[in-house]
Amino acid sequence: AQTVTQSQPEMSVQEAETVTLSCTYDTSESDYYLFWYKQPPSRQMILVIRQEAYKQQNATENRFSVNFQKAAKSFSLKISDSQLGDAAMYFCAYRRGYANAGGTSYGKLTFGQGTILTVHP
Amino acid sequence: EAGVAQSPRYKIIEKRQSVAFWCNPISGHATLYWYQQILGQGPKLLIQFQNNGVVDDSQLPKDRFSAERLKGVDSTLKIQPAKLEDSAVYLCASSLDDGAGDNEQFFGPGTRLTVL
Repeated sequence: AQTVTQSQPEMSVQEAETVTLSCTYDTSESDYYLFWYKQPPSRQMILVIRQEAYKQQNATENRFSVNFQKAAKSFSLKISDSQLGDAAMYFCAYRRGYANAGGTSYGKLTFGQGTILTVHP
Repeated sequence: EAGVAQSPRYKIIEKRQSVAFWCNPISGHATLYWYQQILGQGPKLLIQFQNNGVVDDSQLPKDRFSAERLKGVDSTLKIQPAKLEDSAVYLCASSLDDGAGDNEQFFGPGTRLTVL
């Protein structure tokens, strides 16, 4: 079974600074996707960024970027120029790829425990 | 485009009572998921539907939880009878699954259940 571990229960950053959230995962599969989700107090889970395992290039979305180390099974999220609106719970998640799932059961997300990010003005 | 709708947003019940949650996915989305998120933890999949068929319910406590997705659209999740440990946020999500491999999940706002 796949597992996702976030070892930082809480992180804090000053506004406009950079912060990195850590995530490690364990899998024996070769085809999979990794995600970072943001969950503000409103509870709405919002996709921040995704990475396909077969792509060597790290994904980037505006101020958000990842450091994907496939051999080390590490997937960290870097937030640059932090803003007050970035404050939330962040979850790392794993999803098996179609090639490993035998067809229809590949949508399930396996989440880490989450990291609470506080942004100080 | 309307998002995933869930109701109610909050529910407080006594243990051993019954409760039901409702989810309306994004129009046209074939796959619907129910996740349970206990306070301080990441969401855990309870059940996954593809249209109106169950794909994965391996983590659903079937002695007390049930779910259905009639006509492949709306879904209801029921707990009967509820236990204290069922206190959690219940998240519904849906994805298009158009066969092209992109099945990003869109989440609803969740229902916070408190069992006293």
